[in-house]
Amino acid sequence: GENVEQHPSTLSVQEGDSAVIKCTYSDSASNYFPWYKQELGKRPQLIIDIRSNVGEKKDQRIAVTLNKTAKHFSLHITETQPEDSAVYFCAARSGDKLTFGTGTRLAVRP
Amino acid sequence: DGGITQSPKYLFRKEGQNVTLSCEQNLNHDAMYWYRQDPGQGLRLIYYSQIVNDFQKGDIAEGYSVSREKKESFPLTVTSAQKNPTAFYLCASSSQQETQYFGPGTRLLVL
Repeated sequence: GENVEQHPSTLSVQEGDSAVIKCTYSDSASNYFPWYKQELGKRPQLIIDIRSNVGEKKDQRIAVTLNKTAKHFSLHITETQPEDSAVYFCAARSGDKLTFGTGTRLAVRP
Repeated sequence: DGGITQSPKYLFRKEGQNVTLSCEQNLNHDAMYWYRQDPGQGLRLIYYSQIVNDFQKGDIAEGYSVSREKKESFPLTVTSAQKNPTAFYLCASSSQQETQYFGPGTRLLVL
């Protein structure tokens, strides 16, 4: 089955700096890659996603890049703000199932 | 997200007891999913259902059971065979092959 690895597990940045989280996947048939943000005790919420026929997607301060050849995808957050502090999960869909990474705890220092 | 509800918010289980977690959605989604989240870890798939009256095991189905008698509902039973049930349980739904949206979760604790 699919295996998704996510790095780093924790990330601390100064407010205004950029943050980058990277994921790799194993199944070359995976075709959909969402990113979720989860605040403490809350549900994961979709922040951006990308499909395998696209190399990059942006939404304001958030962008995702996909390299199908290398089987990795990354989340980029620019101009970080304290409210960006949360746990971020990447995922890859193969067939009917999503497989999640183990999460990155992002802390934005004011 | 508001179209997916889970109850109860907190659930306490005694040893040897079966408990059932509720998940309802009014988004007209065909597919529904159950995940388990342990502290500091990602989401692991327990069971999923692509259509009414059909469901498949996920990666950690042992000790759990589900039913899908209605499109809107996908209850999860944590049986006494699940020896380490303490976790945060999340239900999700999606249209076929589309984005999954999550419910607010149920936190299960063992007495």
